[in-house]
Amino acid sequence: DVKVTQSSRYLVKRTGEKVFLECVQDMDHENMFWYRQDPGLGLRLIYFSYDVKMKEKGDIPEGYSVSREKKERFSLILESASTNQTSMYLCASSLQGDPAYEQYFGPGTRLTVT
Amino acid sequence: AQKVTQAQTEISVVEKEDVTLDCVYETRDTTYYLFWYKQPPSGELVFLIRRNSFDEQNEISGRYSWNFQKSTSSFNFTITASQVVDSAVYFCALSEAEGAAGNKLTFGGGTRVLVKP
Repeated sequence: DVKVTQSSRYLVKRTGEKVFLECVQDMDHENMFWYRQDPGLGLRLIYFSYDVKMKEKGDIPEGYSVSREKKERFSLILESASTNQTSMYLCASSLQGDPAYEQYFGPGTRLTVT
Repeated sequence: AQKVTQAQTEISVVEKEDVTLDCVYETRDTTYYLFWYKQPPSGELVFLIRRNSFDEQNEISGRYSWNFQKSTSSFNFTITASQVVDSAVYFCALSEAEGAAGNKLTFGGGTRVLVKP
């Protein structure tokens, strides 16, 4: 059974804190993605990675960074959390090489920044 | 830039009614893929169906069917004889055919479906 796991389901942080969201997949997928989900806006891509130590900016990278030191793990970092980063964060992974490949999603982390 | 629009924000039906979800997309690519995902209350998006830009044949899979019309840039999705377990948020998504990753997705805003018993 394919699996994408995220380190926390719920997280509450204070403004200015450094926040780490972790994602692990067990499917040996090359591609990994971080999205944020907000009501009415759907999912918006923050960053994605197509190989270890490789990354590309998505549509809304400002205020975020990522790290991929191992193939199975992709971390999203909020260097200095702000209230407008309160959102649901979803991690996904997929095979590489064909745009037909579907993405597999984790259960999400609901982050609240106070 | 790619764009996906789901004009319906919420649909409420009674069990056994059919539900049709609308999706309109914009892209300059000639080769692309369209997807529907389901997000139940547990939060995890689940892949439902996909269609490539060269295949406009409409299909049925169990209680799901889809209508892809390239001329109107629409990819509508129908659930026949809805059940309470179909209650979820449904997302339409568009995949680029170019680039290193090959499958970045652009999502619509989602349609919340509530099926009442």
